[in-house]
Formats: sequence, structure tokens, C-alpha cells
Amino acid sequence: VLTQSPSASASLGASVKLTCTLSSGHSRYAIAWHQQQPEKGPRYLMKVKSDGSHNKGDGIPDRFSGASSGSERYLTISSLQSEDEADYYCQTWDSGIQIFGGGTKVTVL
Amino acid sequence: QLQLQESGPGLVKPSETLSLTCSVSGGSISSTNYYWGWIRQPPGKGLEWILSTYHSGSTYYNPSLQSRVTISMDTSKNQFSLKLSSVTAADTAVYYCARHQELVSSPFDYWGQGTLVTVSS
Repeated sequence: VLTQSPSASASLGASVKLTCTLSSGHSRYAIAWHQQQPEKGPRYLMKVKSDGSHNKGDGIPDRFSGASSGSERYLTISSLQSEDEADYYCQTWDSGIQIFGGGTKVTVL
Repeated sequence: QLQLQESGPGLVKPSETLSLTCSVSGGSISSTNYYWGWIRQPPGKGLEWILSTYHSGSTYYNPSLQSRVTISMDTSKNQFSLKLSSVTAADTAVYYCARHQELVSSPFDYWGQGTLVTVSS
């Protein structure tokens, strides 16, 4: 249902855009993004709706933003910092069933 | 600030039952509109949802695990507990508890730090 690229990388201070693709039949679903730093539990970043609107979790910096286009949901991290090196998971839900994408590992060069 | 903390044995023998408890502080598991969940992550792998539950007893399960899981809630202690029976090495994972942002059709917005459970004789 949710497809993510396994890896992405960008230089310190640059931007990186992650994509979560919804399968057909789910193209209008909202998703959530979670960050998991090494050896830590996941942290909720934001919910992204099909219209591109998004609401962030508590304390999430402005460097993190969300967007949508068709069946794709995006997470953009601007002004990359070393602590942004982490795994990023998207999540959606359907009739009570929770679904996670496979995750994208972000490397800060 | 809502906090969740998982606890339980770190080592379970094959074929036995894994038991974990999630203790919640800074909020009540009896609150209306919030579902609570368990998620696990095998070493080096991604997140796998186990179940989501409400204080009324309404529960949604991962179909692949439903036959082996039991959920309970102790509102007096503000805790909810997971039992997973007939465990094998494939159940070795870090187990997380989390809260849904609203009802079950919403993201997990607060997570525990996780607890590693190893299945081994």
C-alpha cells in the first residue's frame, strides 16, 4: 500500500525530499511521517492530507514540511543537520488497519 | 507531556508467551477519542503494526498476528498490556506502545522508547 525508496542522501545544509507512494485505490488517503534516529524510538513528525495540508507534531522544526501530488506524499527536510540522519517511515490507515511503508534511510553527507 | 513506557521480560523461550505492559503518564488511557497501539520492529527491519485498542474494548488487529495476541487495559493503573503466545525467533523485536492522535483512523503521535524482546532458549 505504501512504497518508499530505501535510501536518500544530501549534503549538510542542503534539502532532501522523501516520497511515500500510495497504491491505487488509496490515492486520496492521508499519511503520517515518522522519524527514527539511530537506536531510538520513532517520533511523529506530521500528518499530510491529499490536498497537501499538513499538521506537525509538537516541537517539530519548520525545516520539516509536507506536500502531496496525486498518490504521492512528500516530506522535505531543509537546511539538513547531522541529527536528521535517520530512518523515515510513512504510515496510513484503512478501516482500523495500520500500514507502514518500508522506510527511507537518510544520510547526511 | 504524554509519556509511554514499555516494560517486560527481555528474554522469552520459544513456544512461551510474551507479556509486555505499557505505562502511560501525562494522560489517561480512558480518555475519549484516543486509541492505543502496539508496534514492533525486528532487528534491522521496518515497523510492523500489531494492534490498536480503545478503553471500551474495541480492538483492531494485524490479521497475521490476531490469533496469537491478547490485549488488556488496567485503567486504575493507566496501563495496557500485550500478550503474544507461541512465540518463535521471528517474534524477536523491539516492541513499542503508542497513542493514536485521535480515533483509530489517525497517526500514532506519541511513542514509547521501546523494549527489546529476544526469543531464545
